[in-house]
Formats: sequence, C-alpha cells, structure tokens
Amino acid sequence: GEDVEQSLFLSVREGDSSVINCTYTDSSSTYLYWYKQEPGAGLQLLTYIFSNMDMKQDQRLTVLLNKKDKHLSLRIADTQTGDSAIYFCAETLRNRDDKIIFGKGTRLHILP
Amino acid sequence: DVKVTQSSRYLVKRTGEKVFLECVQDMDHENMFWYRQDPGLGLRLIYFSYDVKMKEKGDIPEGYSVSREKKERFSLILESASTNQTSMYLCASSFDRSSYNSPLHFGNGTRLTVT
Repeated sequence: GEDVEQSLFLSVREGDSSVINCTYTDSSSTYLYWYKQEPGAGLQLLTYIFSNMDMKQDQRLTVLLNKKDKHLSLRIADTQTGDSAIYFCAETLRNRDDKIIFGKGTRLHILP
Repeated sequence: DVKVTQSSRYLVKRTGEKVFLECVQDMDHENMFWYRQDPGLGLRLIYFSYDVKMKEKGDIPEGYSVSREKKERFSLILESASTNQTSMYLCASSFDRSSYNSPLHFGNGTRLTVT
C-alpha cells in the first residue's frame, strides 16, 4: 500500500543538528520531497532528491536516501529557532499517475 | 517564485451555508489541488484538476465540489457546510503531470470554522 511514515515530534537544542526520518513504501518513487510548514502558513518546498541519488546537500540541509531500506532523512545542521516548524516528507508514485503522498509531519521543537 | 494565493486566511460560516474557497496561481501551472489538514491526520486530498474544466476526486471528496473555469483559478465549494468541515484548507499547484519532477506549491491556507 501507499504509506509515508514519520515520527510526530522531535526536540533538539539550539545549535545541535536535527535529523528527521521518514520511511516510504513505493519502490517506484522517483522524486522525494521535504516540505516545511511554519505556524499558520502553508507548506513550503525545502528540498527534493531524485531516487537515483544517495545524498543531496544544500547549505545547512542534507538529505540522505537509502533506497534499499526505503528510508529518507533530513539533517539540519546548527539548528536555529527559525527552524521550529512541522516537516513533511512526500513521495511521488510513478505507478499511481504521479500522485504525491505525504507523511503526517514531524513537529520540530527547539530547546534553548 | 510561484505564487499561490488563497482569498481568505480565516473564515467563519454557519452550518448549512454554501461556502466558496478561492485559489489563484500565477505560474501557468496545469495541475491544481485542494487538501484539508487536520491534527493527527496530516494532509488529505479532496479534489484535484489536471486541466481547465477537468476535475478528479481525491481521497475525501464527500461534501465538496470544485470548479476550474480558468487555468489559474481553482475553487472549492462546500454545498452545505457542516461542523465536521471545520479545518485548515490548503490549495496547491504543480507544473505538469508529464514532468518527473513536479513538486507542489502551496498557498498559505484558509482556516475555516463552521459553527
């Protein structure tokens, strides 16, 4: 079936690295996405990775993809208070007309 | 930058009212979507459209309809609002269903309360 799983909460101290994990089920997924939702706002595309890549780095963000285990992670280096948000993992289902499936989101809480 | 604009940030309506939620995108995107977001349930797809005058049901279409008369505008209609439709509604658009990388771009959401 189609499912994207994420833990619901993560607390990290300011300045530490945050690692948000996601597992997905469809091996035919092409692109996998990370979205950020700040309070009261819509979802903002943070980054994406193509399924033939293992890693993608963009400033403080590192995305790691383990296709064998269908595991995706987002690492935020030097976590700041502005990183406090809900982070959604999403996959594109090639065998389902490119439907995009979202996880339920991980709420990142920054401790002072 | 893609801009997806939802006409209202907050709406309060009474049970039984007909409610229109409007969404406009300015990047000539073919695809448009309506989701609702509820605590603990994540995002659920209500309806989507791949072209003008086209519409397809998502996962939870009951109690809703949509209209896409122009490419840039996608309206969500609650024919007779009920309290269980109190939610955050998110509109999104994407470029082209034939493109492998076609991420969704979201509006800021409309928080609807039905009393």
